[in-house]
Amino acid sequence: DTGVSQNPRHKITKRGQNVTFRCDPISEHNRLYWYRQTLGQGPEFLTYFQNEAQLEKSRLLSDRFSAERPKGSFSTLEIQRTEQGDSAMYLCASDHIAADETQYFGPGTRLLVL
Amino acid sequence: AQSVAQPEDQVNVAEGNPLTVKCTYSVSGNPYLFWYVQYPNRGLQFLLKYITGDNLVKGSYGFEAEFNKSQTSFHLKKPSALVSDSALYFCAVRDIYDKIIFGKGTRLHILP
Repeated sequence: DTGVSQNPRHKITKRGQNVTFRCDPISEHNRLYWYRQTLGQGPEFLTYFQNEAQLEKSRLLSDRFSAERPKGSFSTLEIQRTEQGDSAMYLCASDHIAADETQYFGPGTRLLVL
Repeated sequence: AQSVAQPEDQVNVAEGNPLTVKCTYSVSGNPYLFWYVQYPNRGLQFLLKYITGDNLVKGSYGFEAEFNKSQTSFHLKKPSALVSDSALYFCAVRDIYDKIIFGKGTRLHILP
């Protein structure tokens, strides 16, 4: 499978705990995006990387959120001191700056904070 | 600011009938428009896009969309609906910073 992969697919945690999600983009893609989707809403942009550089962060990304893409390949999204309002589907997408304009999405990580 | 609107939360269509899912957009400059579909507990699957060229764009699974600049619309269509088309459909626009801005989604129910 050469698509975008995300792990874990599901995560249940208690409020106050830290969680980390991983995204592996399509191998030749140099741009990677994180989105968050809550029930009944469309996905909302969180942040994106071009290679290892984080180029933009949404105001939705509070100080408790941090994302990295250390080698320009996979990316991690960490949420510290989780809150119930963080419960959502976290989606990763990738594309290539010189290719078509289409972002391809992974299956998502569904987070439930109890 | 770029935005898209999907005026219908839900659309019901009988199997075999044509379907339309509506989308209007607001952009500065030339729009890059997309349709994605989401099945339960799954990520988003790309259906089709309009960047430039013909106003009628053909995509996956027999779907097509018509770009109408004067009405700022990009409606998704299919001539004959299948029960398996039942899903959540998102219209989206790519902004000048290359992030995707999504509509709220339209749930499509195809009735057997």
